[in-house]
Amino acid sequence: GAGVSQSPSNKVTEKGKDVELRCDPISGHTALYWYRQSLGQGLEFLIYFQGNSAPDKSGLPSDRFSAERTGGSVSTLTIQRTQQEDSAVYLCASSSSDTYEQYFGPGTRLTVT
Amino acid sequence: AQSVTQPDIHITVSEGASLELRCNYSYGATPYLFWYVQSPGQGLQLLLKYFSGDTLVQGIKGFEAEFKRSQSSFNLRKPSVHWSDAAEYFCAVGSYSSASKIIFGSGTRLSIRP
Repeated sequence: GAGVSQSPSNKVTEKGKDVELRCDPISGHTALYWYRQSLGQGLEFLIYFQGNSAPDKSGLPSDRFSAERTGGSVSTLTIQRTQQEDSAVYLCASSSSDTYEQYFGPGTRLTVT
Repeated sequence: AQSVTQPDIHITVSEGASLELRCNYSYGATPYLFWYVQSPGQGLQLLLKYFSGDTLVQGIKGFEAEFKRSQSSFNLRKPSVHWSDAAEYFCAVGSYSSASKIIFGSGTRLSIRP
C-alpha cells in the first residue's frame, strides 16, 4: 500500500513568514510523529499524535510551532514567523498501535532566507 | 536521562569488508531498539528492531544487530558491505512504557571505498 507522504518536498520562505507542512500517514496508522533533522544532525522529536490528540508536545522548540491532526489521518505542522534556525528537514512518521515501528515519509526540506 | 550514543560520526570501509556500527544507550526502562538507514535524498528505512527474546536479530539487506544488556549496546553488523550500503545509519531506542518518544542517535555516516 501507499507509504507516508509529505508535502511540499521543498519549501523556501522568507524570514518572518508562516509555513504549513503536511503529512499523510499510512492508512489505519493511529500514531503520527513529527521530527526535525538539521544538517548533519540526528532526529529531533517534535510532537506525537495518538488519533487526533497530542499527548506529547514536549519537543516543540517554541510557541511558534504548532501541529494538528484531523480525522485521525492528515497532520499539519505550522511554523509561524519563521527564523533562519528553523531551516531543516521536517520528517513525519506513522505507526500502528501495536508495533511501535515507525514508517517515515521523505521529508520536507525547509529553507528560511 | 535517556540517551543514545553513536560514537562514530563517519566510518569508511572497503567494499567486501565487514562492518560494525556502534550504539550505546542509557534508558531506565526495558528498552526496545531500532536501526534505521537513510540513503542520500531518501527517507528513513527500518533495518531491524529488537523488542524481546533472542538478542541477535536479523534485518533486511544482510544486516544484524546484537543486544547486550550488560554493555547497554546494540551494535549493527554486516559481514560484507556493498557500495550501495553507503548511507547514514541511526540507532534509536524507546520503551514499552513510553511508546510516544523514540530517541534517535546522531547517526553514523558510512562511506564505502571501492
